[in-house]
Amino acid sequence: QKEVEQNSGPLSVPEGAIASLNCTYSDRGSQSFFWYRQYSGKSPELIMSIYSNGDKEDGRFTAQLNKASQYVSLLIRDSQPSDSATYLCAVNMEGRGGYNKLIFGAGTRLAVHP
Amino acid sequence: DTAVSQTPKYLVTQMGNDKSIKCEQNLGHDTMYWYKQDSKKFLKIMFSYNNKELIINETVPNRFSPKSPDKAHLNLHINSLELGDSAVYFCASSQEGAGYYYGTQYFGPGTRLTVL
Repeated sequence: QKEVEQNSGPLSVPEGAIASLNCTYSDRGSQSFFWYRQYSGKSPELIMSIYSNGDKEDGRFTAQLNKASQYVSLLIRDSQPSDSATYLCAVNMEGRGGYNKLIFGAGTRLAVHP
Repeated sequence: DTAVSQTPKYLVTQMGNDKSIKCEQNLGHDTMYWYKQDSKKFLKIMFSYNNKELIINETVPNRFSPKSPDKAHLNLHINSLELGDSAVYFCASSQEGAGYYYGTQYFGPGTRLTVL
């Protein structure tokens, strides 16, 4: 089983719609969860971090976390063509020596069409 | 001000050569990382240093040797380059959070390595 799983997409949504991106993870001990956005040829940039069960909103973005179901999602309201990118889910997991490491999913490609 | 910078941005070289990539962060973070992103865009951690000490060393061929002269710099030297080393290499840094919270990682612009 992959440690962090995402649908690769592409997820195609019309402009103005809600885009829903999902992620599941395998390590029940994980405590920190992140969504990164990566435009083609660019580096990942952080959009949201979430640490507690429930919803966390920041502008048009809402992250949702359900630790019991080992599930984290990202909702993008009023999607814009500029939101078209690959969205990477990242989860912290304990590595050797007790140090945390961030494990990334393969990413979901989002395409917002006018 | 660039937070995490890498040089070079592009690197094209022949199989068997040795090359280095440099990374610097001016965020005052104490932890730095090297990631490899392959052609399928899968981002995988290779190494992590905390205050110049190696703390994460994933299953990476020993042709890859990281070095951290101080906590603001992390370099990656690759010996005997192979075709499969072609990828984008990202440096990142973070400040470890309190308790079990994991610090946000900030990524450099990446180095696209092409081995011919």
